Amino acid sequence: DADVTQTPRNRITKTGKRIMLECSQTKGHDRMYWYRQDPGLGLQLIYYSFDVKDINKGEISDGYSVSRQAQAKFSLSLESAIPNQTALYFCATSDRRDRLLTGLETQYFGPGTRLLVL
Amino acid sequence: QQQVKQSPQSLIVQKGGISIINCAYENTAFDYFPWYQQFPGKGPALLIAIRPDVSEKKEGRFTISFNKSAKQFSLHIMDSQPGDSATYFCAAPDGTASKLTFGTGTRLQVTL
Repeated sequence: DADVTQTPRNRITKTGKRIMLECSQTKGHDRMYWYRQDPGLGLQLIYYSFDVKDINKGEISDGYSVSRQAQAKFSLSLESAIPNQTALYFCATSDRRDRLLTGLETQYFGPGTRLLVL
Repeated sequence: QQQVKQSPQSLIVQKGGISIINCAYENTAFDYFPWYQQFPGKGPALLIAIRPDVSEKKEGRFTISFNKSAKQFSLHIMDSQPGDSATYFCAAPDGTASKLTFGTGTRLQVTL
């Protein structure tokens, strides 16, 4: 979805380096999420934010941190990258008002960032 | 925490055939159960969703069947087409219902 953008799209880094993945959205949604996708493991939630002042850990937050700089921006940092963090990372957004209007809250995903840690 | 088990991991179906993907959840159902579709190089996108107060929802060739007592729901793709080749994820709401737990995904290949 072009309304949710992620930068960079591809990144190669070395073990021990700190890197940041960025997500921006123009959908005006209040909720944002970071997922990690590994073959055979599906989508695992790293962190999520229901508004600018609300940050929550997901199921696999160890080794990651996030920053919600504005309603439209949500960044994911790997403090000290390790090869085990090689994966495809997705940002997603949703609007809490969706459930009031339609009964379900759709998550809209960005195109993903492919990260390789050597 | 919601747990979702999805099967099969991969599926090969001939064009025109029926593709069936199954999911089972553990905790009490909440608002809805969505299926997401992901094409190579793209992020997942909502395909179809069902509320737990109905047993079936159909949108074109895609149907969700829901069995509340068995805590299972499945996706049926009728008259499968090569363009349906993608990875499919089921999901279940977890606690706040805004947070989804996804299944491990099913890679569907529709052959000519």
